[in-house]
Amino acid sequence: NAGVTQTPKFQVLKTGQSMTLQCAQDMNHNSMYWYRQDPGMGLRLIYYSASEGTTDKGEVPNGYNVSRLNKREFSLRLESAAPSQTSVYFCASSDISGRGRETQYFGPGTRLLVL
Amino acid sequence: GQSLEQPSEVTAVEGAIVQINCTYQTSGFYGLSWYQQHDGGAPTFLSYNALDGLEETGRFSSFLSRSDSYGYLLLQELQMKDSASYFCAHSPGNTGKLIFGQGTTLQVKP
Repeated sequence: NAGVTQTPKFQVLKTGQSMTLQCAQDMNHNSMYWYRQDPGMGLRLIYYSASEGTTDKGEVPNGYNVSRLNKREFSLRLESAAPSQTSVYFCASSDISGRGRETQYFGPGTRLLVL
Repeated sequence: GQSLEQPSEVTAVEGAIVQINCTYQTSGFYGLSWYQQHDGGAPTFLSYNALDGLEETGRFSSFLSRSDSYGYLLLQELQMKDSASYFCAHSPGNTGKLIFGQGTTLQVKP
């Protein structure tokens, strides 16, 4: 049981290049999320997927696209990377119980540097 | 808007008790979560308060007062390994997506 896995762990891009960050979970969770964390900051939600086949914007969606490939996988794409997108990206998953208690399980993160 | 305010840093000595506060201004508030993050690693869930009062989980306790829009995380018998960042968070409208505070860095000294 690996939990939430992310690839790659590190990436350096030049401005204007594109890339896709991959995320997979093996906990059979319905919901998945992408966050970014800048130095000294909390996590900010980029996009989320409440269930397979649905996606929705979070706080900071500009410059990103997502795909919920199946129940296990949720990818984040940068079409034209900018230095402002230098950050650590975390994927997370959870099951919405409807009782108001949310436990999100996070992956190890992808450290992205855009030059 | 949604905002959660935390102190940026707290320092305490090993064996002591420390309290990390979180005040919030939000709409659609359902409850307050706390997460721990070591050295930029994966955040991990610590506790959740849906109702006013104290929730205890081992050395960690969390408190919520809805009337004061305030909560705190209480860490007892501090250990060096508790040095980490601690984030409060809430899920507006119980949608599952989380809004995080900016985090409190706790440094435990010998």
